[in-house]
Amino acid sequence: GAVVSQHPSWVICKSGTSVKIECRSLDFQATTMFWYRQFPKQSLMLMATSNEGSKATYEQGVEKDKFLINHASLTLSTLTVTSAHPEDSSFYICSANSEWQGSRETQYFGPGTRLLVL
Amino acid sequence: QKEVEQDPGPLSVPEGAIVSLNCTYSNSAFQYFMWYRQYSRKGPELLMYTYSSGNKEDGRFTAQVDKSSKYISLFIRDSQPSDSATYLCAMKGNSGYSTLTFGKGTMLLVSP
Repeated sequence: GAVVSQHPSWVICKSGTSVKIECRSLDFQATTMFWYRQFPKQSLMLMATSNEGSKATYEQGVEKDKFLINHASLTLSTLTVTSAHPEDSSFYICSANSEWQGSRETQYFGPGTRLLVL
Repeated sequence: QKEVEQDPGPLSVPEGAIVSLNCTYSNSAFQYFMWYRQYSRKGPELLMYTYSSGNKEDGRFTAQVDKSSKYISLFIRDSQPSDSATYLCAMKGNSGYSTLTFGKGTMLLVSP
């Protein structure tokens, strides 16, 4: 139980294009999903907290117009990197709280999406 | 001082050794403590989850929390090469969906 998937697993794009990453909770409903970015040999950096049906809450220093988050249903959140540049190349990981597991305190992570912007 | 401190390693041990991984923290409001395992180029996998102080055991893994010292540990018994990964500690306060604060992770290498 508590499986989170991400698509695509990796993407290469040209500078200036937009990239959409999907995050799905497969066997539970996730009221809250989280988006993280991880650079090589670094820990997870929270980008934003996404609640179903409402606007995402962005962490300080994260541009909300560049990283568009949509959480349209209890099982799907999307992150769109708009006008991507090489410095946006990173490992993007989503996570979700699992009400189904009876615990709202833990987060279950997706497998991540590796983005390379040329 | 960072909220969560974790030695990045790498920590190299022979197969079968007992491994001790640790984190210290400064925020006394943290109530929930987790350990995640992350293999290279993969998302973190939840290993252990504890609330407040005490011990929790699951198979070869034991998590300890000492809130008085603001110190948490993860012990791995009979370590295996497949345990080679980065181990991240994470913690949060007692308020529903509040965000997790992560350590930087400790890289563990178990040699056969």
